[in-house]
Amino acid sequence: DIQMTQSPSSLSASVGDRVTITCRASQSIGTYLNWYQQKPGKAPDLLIYSASTLQSAVPSRFSGSGSGTDFTLTISSLQPEDYATYYCQQSYRSPLTFGGGTKVEIK
Amino acid sequence: QVQLQESGPGLVKPSETLSLTCTVSGGSISNYYWSWIRQSPGKGLEWIGYIYYSGSTDYNPSLKSRVTISVDTSKNQFSLKLSSVTAADTAVYYCANVGIGAGGTEWFDPWGQGTLVTV
Repeated sequence: DIQMTQSPSSLSASVGDRVTITCRASQSIGTYLNWYQQKPGKAPDLLIYSASTLQSAVPSRFSGSGSGTDFTLTISSLQPEDYATYYCQQSYRSPLTFGGGTKVEIK
Repeated sequence: QVQLQESGPGLVKPSETLSLTCTVSGGSISNYYWSWIRQSPGKGLEWIGYIYYSGSTDYNPSLKSRVTISVDTSKNQFSLKLSSVTAADTAVYYCANVGIGAGGTEWFDPWGQGTLVTV
Protein backbone atom coordinates (compact mmCIF):
# COMPACT_ATOMS: atom_id res chain seq x y z
CA ASP A 1 0.00 0.00 0.00
CA ILE A 2 1.09 3.59 -0.59
CA GLN A 3 1.52 5.35 2.74
CA MET A 4 0.52 9.01 2.99
CA THR A 5 2.16 11.05 5.73
CA GLN A 6 0.88 14.49 6.64
CA SER A 7 2.69 17.12 8.65
CA PRO A 8 2.14 18.65 10.99
CA SER A 9 -0.56 16.59 12.66
CA SER A 10 -1.94 19.79 14.15
CA LEU A 11 -1.23 23.48 14.06
CA SER A 12 -2.49 26.66 15.64
CA ALA A 13 -2.92 29.76 13.52
CA SER A 14 -4.65 33.12 13.61
CA VAL A 15 -7.20 34.54 11.22
CA GLY A 16 -5.33 36.02 8.29
CA ASP A 17 -2.32 33.75 8.62
CA ARG A 18 -0.85 31.83 5.71
CA VAL A 19 -1.06 28.11 6.45
CA THR A 20 0.82 25.32 4.71
CA ILE A 21 0.15 21.61 5.16
CA THR A 22 2.43 18.95 3.73
CA CYS A 23 1.61 15.47 2.46
CA ARG A 24 4.30 12.97 1.51
CA ALA A 25 3.71 9.73 -0.37
CA SER A 26 5.80 6.60 0.24
CA GLN A 27 6.38 6.33 -3.52
CA SER A 28 5.91 8.57 -6.52
CA ILE A 29 2.24 9.16 -7.33
CA GLY A 30 2.49 11.78 -10.05
CA THR A 31 -0.32 14.24 -9.40
CA TYR A 32 -2.82 11.61 -8.25
CA LEU A 33 -3.40 13.52 -5.02
CA ASN A 34 -6.55 15.04 -3.57
CA TRP A 35 -7.26 17.22 -0.53
CA TYR A 36 -10.33 17.23 1.71
CA GLN A 37 -11.61 19.43 4.53
CA GLN A 38 -13.57 17.89 7.40
CA LYS A 39 -15.40 19.78 10.11
CA PRO A 40 -16.50 18.10 13.36
CA GLY A 41 -19.45 15.76 12.90
CA LYS A 42 -19.47 16.23 9.13
CA ALA A 43 -18.28 14.25 6.16
CA PRO A 44 -15.13 15.35 4.36
CA ASP A 45 -15.53 17.84 1.51
CA LEU A 46 -13.35 17.76 -1.60
CA LEU A 47 -11.17 20.85 -1.89
CA ILE A 48 -8.58 20.03 -4.54
CA TYR A 49 -8.10 17.16 -6.97
CA SER A 50 -5.23 16.17 -9.20
CA ALA A 51 -2.87 17.99 -6.81
CA SER A 52 -3.76 21.50 -7.89
CA THR A 53 -7.25 21.74 -9.41
CA LEU A 54 -9.68 23.61 -7.20
CA GLN A 55 -13.06 21.94 -6.84
CA SER A 56 -16.02 24.06 -7.91
CA ALA A 57 -17.15 26.63 -5.31
CA VAL A 58 -13.99 26.25 -3.19
CA PRO A 59 -12.57 29.68 -2.28
CA SER A 60 -9.46 30.75 -4.17
CA ARG A 61 -7.50 31.20 -0.92
CA PHE A 62 -7.01 27.41 -1.08
CA SER A 63 -4.32 26.11 -3.40
CA GLY A 64 -2.47 22.87 -3.93
CA SER A 65 0.87 22.07 -5.45
CA GLY A 66 3.37 19.27 -5.85
CA SER A 67 4.03 16.11 -7.79
CA GLY A 68 5.84 12.86 -7.26
CA THR A 69 6.07 12.34 -3.52
CA ASP A 70 5.72 15.80 -1.98
CA PHE A 71 2.59 17.91 -1.95
CA THR A 72 1.34 21.00 -0.17
CA LEU A 73 -2.01 22.53 0.62
CA THR A 74 -1.87 26.26 1.23
CA ILE A 75 -4.47 28.55 2.72
CA SER A 76 -3.33 32.04 1.80
CA SER A 77 -5.32 33.91 4.45
CA LEU A 78 -6.96 31.75 7.09
CA GLN A 79 -10.62 32.49 7.70
CA PRO A 80 -12.76 31.49 10.72
CA GLU A 81 -14.61 28.87 8.64
CA ASP A 82 -11.32 27.18 7.72
CA TYR A 83 -10.76 25.73 11.17
CA ALA A 84 -11.06 22.03 10.41
CA THR A 85 -9.08 18.88 9.76
CA TYR A 86 -7.49 18.43 6.35
CA TYR A 87 -6.70 15.10 4.67
CA CYS A 88 -4.77 14.13 1.59
CA GLN A 89 -5.66 11.05 -0.46
CA GLN A 90 -3.81 9.25 -3.25
CA SER A 91 -5.44 7.55 -6.20
CA TYR A 92 -2.31 6.41 -8.03
CA ARG A 93 -2.69 2.80 -6.97
CA SER A 94 -5.31 0.68 -5.27
CA PRO A 95 -5.96 0.55 -2.39
CA LEU A 96 -6.75 4.24 -2.26
CA THR A 97 -5.23 5.65 0.91
CA PHE A 98 -5.53 8.76 3.04
CA GLY A 99 -3.11 10.73 5.16
CA GLY A 100 -3.60 10.87 8.90
CA GLY A 101 -4.96 14.40 8.85
CA THR A 102 -3.87 17.87 9.95
CA LYS A 103 -6.04 19.67 12.47
CA VAL A 104 -6.03 23.44 12.08
CA GLU A 105 -6.94 25.14 15.35
CA ILE A 106 -7.50 28.68 16.48
CA LYS A 107 -4.50 30.42 18.00
CA GLN B 1 -26.92 18.15 -7.18
CA VAL B 2 -26.41 14.50 -6.27
CA GLN B 3 -27.03 13.62 -2.64
CA LEU B 4 -26.21 10.40 -0.82
CA GLN B 5 -27.77 8.97 2.32
CA GLU B 6 -26.57 5.96 4.29
CA SER B 7 -29.01 3.74 6.15
CA GLY B 8 -28.79 0.61 8.23
CA PRO B 9 -28.43 -0.68 11.80
CA GLY B 10 -26.30 1.37 14.15
CA LEU B 11 -25.47 -1.61 16.33
CA VAL B 12 -24.14 -4.95 15.14
CA LYS B 13 -23.08 -7.89 17.30
CA PRO B 14 -19.60 -9.36 17.02
CA SER B 15 -19.26 -12.11 14.38
CA GLU B 16 -22.39 -10.92 12.57
CA THR B 17 -22.66 -9.10 9.24
CA LEU B 18 -22.81 -5.33 8.96
CA SER B 19 -25.22 -4.23 6.22
CA LEU B 20 -25.60 -0.67 4.97
CA THR B 21 -27.37 0.89 2.01
CA CYS B 22 -26.62 4.15 0.26
CA THR B 23 -29.48 5.85 -1.56
CA VAL B 24 -28.54 8.24 -4.35
CA SER B 25 -30.89 11.14 -5.08
CA GLY B 26 -30.78 14.04 -7.49
CA GLY B 27 -29.13 11.99 -10.20
CA SER B 28 -28.77 8.53 -11.68
CA ILE B 29 -26.50 5.88 -10.26
CA SER B 30 -25.73 4.79 -13.82
CA ASN B 31 -22.42 5.55 -15.52
CA TYR B 32 -20.60 6.29 -12.26
CA TYR B 33 -18.44 4.64 -9.64
CA TRP B 34 -19.60 4.56 -6.03
CA SER B 35 -17.56 3.94 -2.93
CA TRP B 36 -17.66 3.09 0.75
CA ILE B 37 -15.20 4.68 3.19
CA ARG B 38 -15.03 4.39 6.94
CA GLN B 39 -13.52 6.50 9.67
CA SER B 40 -12.52 5.31 13.11
CA PRO B 41 -10.48 7.09 15.76
CA GLY B 42 -7.83 4.43 15.64
CA LYS B 43 -7.33 4.12 11.88
CA GLY B 44 -8.46 7.41 10.39
CA LEU B 45 -10.06 7.33 6.97
CA GLU B 46 -10.02 3.92 5.30
CA TRP B 47 -11.23 3.17 1.79
CA ILE B 48 -13.33 0.00 1.78
CA GLY B 49 -14.03 -0.41 -1.92
CA TYR B 50 -16.03 0.76 -4.88
CA ILE B 51 -18.47 -0.47 -7.45
CA TYR B 52 -19.29 0.60 -10.98
CA TYR B 53 -22.98 0.80 -11.84
CA SER B 54 -22.51 -2.27 -14.05
CA GLY B 55 -21.43 -4.26 -11.00
CA SER B 56 -17.64 -4.44 -11.32
CA THR B 57 -15.88 -3.93 -8.01
CA ASP B 58 -12.54 -3.20 -6.40
CA TYR B 59 -11.94 -3.80 -2.70
CA ASN B 60 -9.28 -2.89 -0.20
CA PRO B 61 -7.19 -6.06 0.24
CA SER B 62 -7.24 -5.55 4.00
CA LEU B 63 -11.00 -6.15 4.00
CA LYS B 64 -11.51 -8.06 0.76
CA SER B 65 -12.23 -11.43 2.36
CA ARG B 66 -15.13 -9.96 4.34
CA VAL B 67 -16.57 -7.27 2.02
CA THR B 68 -19.27 -7.34 -0.62
CA ILE B 69 -20.47 -4.20 -2.39
CA SER B 70 -23.49 -4.50 -4.67
CA VAL B 71 -25.65 -2.14 -6.71
CA ASP B 72 -29.36 -1.94 -7.46
CA THR B 73 -29.84 0.46 -10.36
CA SER B 74 -33.63 0.11 -10.23
CA LYS B 75 -33.62 1.61 -6.74
CA ASN B 76 -30.66 3.98 -7.32
CA GLN B 77 -28.92 2.33 -4.39
CA PHE B 78 -25.71 0.52 -3.61
CA SER B 79 -24.93 -1.54 -0.55
CA LEU B 80 -22.15 -2.73 1.73
CA LYS B 81 -21.91 -6.01 3.56
CA LEU B 82 -19.04 -6.65 5.97
CA SER B 83 -19.02 -10.08 7.55
CA SER B 84 -17.57 -11.42 10.79
CA VAL B 85 -17.34 -8.00 12.39
CA THR B 86 -15.34 -7.24 15.51
CA ALA B 87 -14.97 -4.17 17.69
CA ALA B 88 -12.27 -2.99 15.28
CA ASP B 89 -15.00 -2.44 12.67
CA THR B 90 -16.69 0.19 14.82
CA ALA B 91 -16.58 3.36 12.74
CA VAL B 92 -18.53 6.00 10.90
CA TYR B 93 -19.30 4.58 7.48
CA TYR B 94 -19.61 6.93 4.52
CA CYS B 95 -20.78 6.36 0.98
CA ALA B 96 -19.48 8.61 -1.76
CA ASN B 97 -19.51 9.22 -5.48
CA VAL B 98 -16.19 8.61 -7.20
CA GLY B 99 -15.13 11.36 -9.56
CA ILE B 100 -12.67 10.41 -12.29
CA GLY B 101 -10.47 12.89 -14.05
CA ALA B 102 -8.24 12.87 -17.08
CA GLY B 103 -5.58 10.26 -16.69
CA GLY B 104 -7.65 8.23 -14.29
CA THR B 105 -7.25 10.20 -11.10
CA GLU B 106 -10.07 9.40 -8.66
CA TRP B 107 -11.61 11.44 -5.89
CA PHE B 108 -14.61 11.21 -3.57
CA ASP B 109 -17.32 13.81 -4.02
CA PRO B 110 -19.95 14.18 -2.75
CA TRP B 111 -20.12 12.13 0.44
CA GLY B 112 -23.11 11.00 2.44
CA GLN B 113 -23.46 12.36 5.96
CA GLY B 114 -22.14 9.12 7.43
CA THR B 115 -23.60 6.61 9.81
CA LEU B 116 -22.03 5.35 13.03
CA VAL B 117 -21.92 1.59 13.34
CA THR B 118 -20.94 0.17 16.68
CA VAL B 119 -19.90 -3.46 17.09
